[in-house]
Amino acid sequence: NAGVTQTPKFQVLKTGQSMTLQCAQDMNHEYMSWYRQDPGMGLRLIHYSVGAGITDQGEVPNGYNVSRSTTEDFPLRLLSAAPSQTSVYFCASSYGPMKTQYFGPGTRLLVL
Amino acid sequence: AQTVTQSQPEMSVQEAETVTLSCTYDTSESDYYLFWYKQPPSRQMILVIRQEAYKQQNATENRFSVNFQKAAKSFSLKISDSQLGDAAMYFCAYRRETGANNLFFGTGTRLTVIP
Repeated sequence: NAGVTQTPKFQVLKTGQSMTLQCAQDMNHEYMSWYRQDPGMGLRLIHYSVGAGITDQGEVPNGYNVSRSTTEDFPLRLLSAAPSQTSVYFCASSYGPMKTQYFGPGTRLLVL
Repeated sequence: AQTVTQSQPEMSVQEAETVTLSCTYDTSESDYYLFWYKQPPSRQMILVIRQEAYKQQNATENRFSVNFQKAAKSFSLKISDSQLGDAAMYFCAYRRETGANNLFFGTGTRLTVIP
């Protein structure tokens, strides 16, 4: 049981480049979320999904897109990277709205 | 909007001693969940303890316990018999009972354990 996995662990992008951060879970969790962690600001919700085919915006969605074609995967796309998106990104999942969220190991993104 | 405040950016504790990390939150909801997460240098977010707002009894997990004061909107974490492995960032988090399953986090407290 791998839990929540994220790839890559670290990525450097140039301004304007696009990329997809991958997140997968093998626990059959319906709920999945993406957070970003910036120094001194805790974690903030970017997007979340309550099940395959259903996504919604969180607190800081601008500049990011998501989709949920399967229960297992919840990729986060940066269409045109900006230095302000330099952060550590965490994916999380849970069985349902009342259940504990489990976090992946994080992806550190540096946008130059 | 829900806000979570951790007023102690840094704390230190002597090994084997007890330390308490503070957390306050603001909400108009009556039912919700509160969490403490630990983030070691590996950056992995690890659930330490969870508290349901409808439960009056404070949650306990081995050396970790909480002091949940619902009226005061306070949720402190007590670590007893501190160990070197407890050194990490600790985040307090809030989640509503209904609606989106997202967590609102505080800004964290960095705990140093002194040998």
